[in-house]
Amino acid sequence: DAGVTQSPTHLIKTRGQQVTLRCSPKSGHDTVSWYQQALGQGPQFIFQYYEEEERQRGNFPDRFSGHQFPNYSSELNVNALLLGDSALYLCASSLVGGSVFGYTFGSGTRLTVV
Amino acid sequence: QKEVEQNSGPLSVPEGAIASLNCTYSDRGSQSFFWYRQYSGKSPELIMFIYSNGDKEDGRFTAQLNKASQYVSLLIRDSQPSDSATYLCAVTAGTASKLTFGTGTRLQVTL
Repeated sequence: DAGVTQSPTHLIKTRGQQVTLRCSPKSGHDTVSWYQQALGQGPQFIFQYYEEEERQRGNFPDRFSGHQFPNYSSELNVNALLLGDSALYLCASSLVGGSVFGYTFGSGTRLTVV
Repeated sequence: QKEVEQNSGPLSVPEGAIASLNCTYSDRGSQSFFWYRQYSGKSPELIMFIYSNGDKEDGRFTAQLNKASQYVSLLIRDSQPSDSATYLCAVTAGTASKLTFGTGTRLQVTL
């Protein structure tokens, strides 16, 4: 049973660069949510995609953008990277409109900005 | 004021004791409450959720909710070293499907 798959697992980028993170949802899930977890903090909601559209967005700047593909997989793009963007980025998938009861988290992508 | 507040710990309890983890939230519209466990470097895993006032038990875990006091807690009975992790409290409101997390409480179960 394939769970949520995120790639890459680790990434090092330089300040000012752009990065793309990828997420494949659990089989049968159609909704993908992205969270940022800084060291020592709880995950913070970035945005959620359903039916290839951004449905909800948290308090993150426009440098953070995303996309969902017809196969429900998703990408998170961050432009003009700042040191403060260093964090664990978590993808969570769910079924039918995004009920949190059915959330499955991926193992995350650890982004380090130097 | 943070939306979801937890004591960051660490909370240290001896093996076999009861660990009590607490969480308060500010949005009275919050309707569902979750406890996640997160091992270092790993992703959160759901332990329990609760949406009605009172207690909900699942094995060694009991979640307690008091909406009037805007307070939710997690009790872990017969604590084991494998319970050592960070416990994240999360809430959601109504039909909203995003989770708002606290900063987590680090639990250490000592031998």
